[in-house]
Amino acid sequence: KNEVEQSPQNLTAQEGEFITINCSYSVGISALHWLQQHPGGGIVSLFMLSSGKKKHGRLIATINIQEKHSSLHITASHPRDSAVYICAVGSGSRLTFGEGTQLTVNP
Amino acid sequence: NAGVMQNPRHLVRRRGQEARLRCSPMKGHSHVYWYRQLPEEGLKFMVYLQKENIIDESGMPKERFSAEFPKEGPSILRIQQVVRGDSAAYFCASSPPQGYEQYFGPGTRLTVT
Repeated sequence: KNEVEQSPQNLTAQEGEFITINCSYSVGISALHWLQQHPGGGIVSLFMLSSGKKKHGRLIATINIQEKHSSLHITASHPRDSAVYICAVGSGSRLTFGEGTQLTVNP
Repeated sequence: NAGVMQNPRHLVRRRGQEARLRCSPMKGHSHVYWYRQLPEEGLKFMVYLQKENIIDESGMPKERFSAEFPKEGPSILRIQQVVRGDSAAYFCASSPPQGYEQYFGPGTRLTVT
């Protein structure tokens, strides 16, 4: 079993839909990261959180430390949100990554 | 404030040659991390360095791979005698002395022919 599990692996949505991507982890962590990787390959850090909830524009990330679970939500999804979303957990400074969720938003 | 810079962005090497990948962290960041993404696979940690020190190299292959982060200049990931299985995207990230948020570079895509 991977230390970081994401679901779903693939997600297709229509523009405007509310999207949720889930991440569960099995190790103790100091922080959890959500990353976005575009088709060109570049990686952007969306959130780093160790408790509670963070919001940035249409993106919301939550974490439940007791349940070792995090969710990434996208409101009013848009085709430009199409990318791979990666959950990564940090123990000390080292990151362990999930396999990613491929999101496709159709117009 | 420029982001994390990596060069080259694309590198082609023949089997047996050496590959040198460079990473310049963000200004003020003294911690550098290297990650590898093999084709159709997720990201994997390779090594964590601070200036002039290797802190954690538990993800580095035992042979042919080395990394450094000198007092002056960029961090270097060096792969000697490359093989086809080394073809991958290599990402560098940096973080400030305090805190864990890592900022990623654009990656170097290594192709071994």
